[in-house]
Amino acid sequence: SQKIEQNSEALNIQEGKTATLTCNYTNYSPAYLQWYRQDPGRGPVFLLLIRENEKEKRKERLKVTFDTTLKQSLFHITASQPADSATYLCALDPVTGSARQLTFGSGTQLTVLP
Amino acid sequence: DGGITQSPKYLFRKEGQNVTLSCEQNLNHDAMYWYRQDPGQGLRLIYYSQIVNDFQKGDIAEGYSVSREKKESFPLTVTSAQKNPTAFYLCASSRAGGLSTEAFFGQGTRLTVV
Repeated sequence: SQKIEQNSEALNIQEGKTATLTCNYTNYSPAYLQWYRQDPGRGPVFLLLIRENEKEKRKERLKVTFDTTLKQSLFHITASQPADSATYLCALDPVTGSARQLTFGSGTQLTVLP
Repeated sequence: DGGITQSPKYLFRKEGQNVTLSCEQNLNHDAMYWYRQDPGQGLRLIYYSQIVNDFQKGDIAEGYSVSREKKESFPLTVTSAQKNPTAFYLCASSRAGGLSTEAFFGQGTRLTVV
């Protein structure tokens, strides 16, 4: 069956360091991979999308890589700040039709310590 | 401001009751979705709709029903057949079409059985 795993439930890092979150998938061939941020009690907010033919995508302090051979995406936040503390979700998109049937991972809760 | 609005934010249901969660969007999106989120788990798809008057079951549709009479609205009814309805419910919308696009989420409804 299809499975998405995000590296750990919780990750603590020191302010200023780079946070690296992992998303692994099996039995799945996504065309796109997306990353979302979710704050407690709120809906997820879209951050970045990367296509299967792209190796890397950047947006300000965020960087995403997508390795379809390893079936893995890495999400990096450089120069992390306490305001980056949130749960980060990866989502896979098979592009099966006009509706986006995203499959979400369970998320990694990131805490940036001052 | 364009966006997606869920109401109510908190909802309490007695055993055996049906309750309806509201979701409205003014983004002119064709596709709309309902997800359920439980602690420590990812988002699971309940129902989705690509177009008015059409909707499809997701992974966990049992005990739920939806309607899509207007493009802007996609209400979810949690019926008494849903044995474990306590959860955080998220509505989302996205553009339909050939390219993957991000999902826009509402702020969620937290449903509790009392």
